[in-house]
Amino acid sequence: EAGVAQSPRYKIIEKRQSVAFWCNPISGHATLYWYQQILGQGPKLLIQFQNNGVVDDSQLPKDRFSAERLKGVDSTLKIQPAKLEDSAVYLCASRPRPFGEAFFGQGTRLTVV
Amino acid sequence: SQQGEEDPQALSIQEGENATMNCSYKTSINNLQWYRQNSGRGLVHLILIRSNEREKHSGRLRVTLDTSKKSSSLLITASRAADTASYFCATWMETSGSRLTFGEGTQLTVNP
Repeated sequence: EAGVAQSPRYKIIEKRQSVAFWCNPISGHATLYWYQQILGQGPKLLIQFQNNGVVDDSQLPKDRFSAERLKGVDSTLKIQPAKLEDSAVYLCASRPRPFGEAFFGQGTRLTVV
Repeated sequence: SQQGEEDPQALSIQEGENATMNCSYKTSINNLQWYRQNSGRGLVHLILIRSNEREKHSGRLRVTLDTSKKSSSLLITASRAADTASYFCATWMETSGSRLTFGEGTQLTVNP
């Protein structure tokens, strides 16, 4: 079974620039998550999709972050404009069933300079 | 605020020793899970314990859950250098139903 795929693995941008991350979840997993993990901290949920609908985006900074999941499969997370405090690892995860384990991708490490 | 909080924040032991990490949470849960994260990598699921279970084993891992104290512990027996990683507890809250909330993690270092 192929895992959760994320790209790019690393990205360095200047503040005020925009950036996009891509995620392809495990086939058949209806639920997809984007987490932000700042160095030394635990992952923090940004947004959760069920198929192509948003279930929870209460912690997404909507003035600069946006996400979509077209056709209920892969997803993109965008930041525009980026701030220094957005430097973090952005993790994508998918889940096959309610209350079950989540499967994580390798993450995208973003550095904003 | 984070649902789960682990302690200690960091733990350093010798190979062959046991490592114990604790997690506390605040609200009622459906289940609690432990994940491992190697440096620069994604999280890997280790074990899940349901709210009606008290103890669970998987290989060298032993997890306990005390819902009255809202706490869990992860024991790794006979540790190896390869166990060096960050360990996170995560909870599925009953109320939200589908938000998996992580603690801040314990950084475990196993010295050869």
